[in-house]
Amino acid sequence: QKEVEQNSGPLSVPEGAIASLNCTYSDRGSQSFFWYRQYSGKSPELIMSIYSNGDKEDGRFTAQLNKASQYVSLLIRDSQPSDSATYLCAVNSGTAFSDFQKLVFGTGTRLLVSP
Amino acid sequence: SAVISQKPSRDICQRGTSLTIQCQVDSQVTMMFWYRQQPGQSLTLIATANQGSEATYESGFVIDKFPISRPNLTFSTLTVSNMSPEDSSIYLCSVELTGWSYEQYFGPGTRLTVT
Repeated sequence: QKEVEQNSGPLSVPEGAIASLNCTYSDRGSQSFFWYRQYSGKSPELIMSIYSNGDKEDGRFTAQLNKASQYVSLLIRDSQPSDSATYLCAVNSGTAFSDFQKLVFGTGTRLLVSP
Repeated sequence: SAVISQKPSRDICQRGTSLTIQCQVDSQVTMMFWYRQQPGQSLTLIATANQGSEATYESGFVIDKFPISRPNLTFSTLTVSNMSPEDSSIYLCSVELTGWSYEQYFGPGTRLTVT
């Protein structure tokens, strides 16, 4: 059973702080990792993808990947109230080519940024 | 990214009936996916739909209940058949644009309520 684990939260941070969202996955063969943001009543929006160990930065967002520890995280710098949403971690489902395109989603972490 | 639309955006249906959900993309894509998101839950993959071949269903989902069509590279339909209240959910289609990044982009979703 391929699993992606996230703390459901809510994670509460004050405006301007760094929000740190974490995700662990069970399948060592996973190669692609994604963070989606989902506002209430809306569909998921892709905000970051990462494929190699280390950090990847895009604006206020930094994704971090550690394949040895099977751990991927998302940092949001200078958090804004508009960042309040549920953040979903998604991992491609394994080593078989036919599975590469499939994503397994975590249950999401709800982030609340207070003004 | 791409512009992805779904019809209907929401519907209320009686048990025992069927509903067909349409997904339209503004560019040609090979891979399309159908997900279900039940209230307060994460996303569960129903099936992968490639143009020109039968849809591939995930464990727990069967073609008789969720028939899928993929007549061309920009369009797909998902039918929810013989509905019960347990089928009340948000149904989402997604597409993979590049064929190598495994990034998926989601349509706005169809909110289905079965009474």
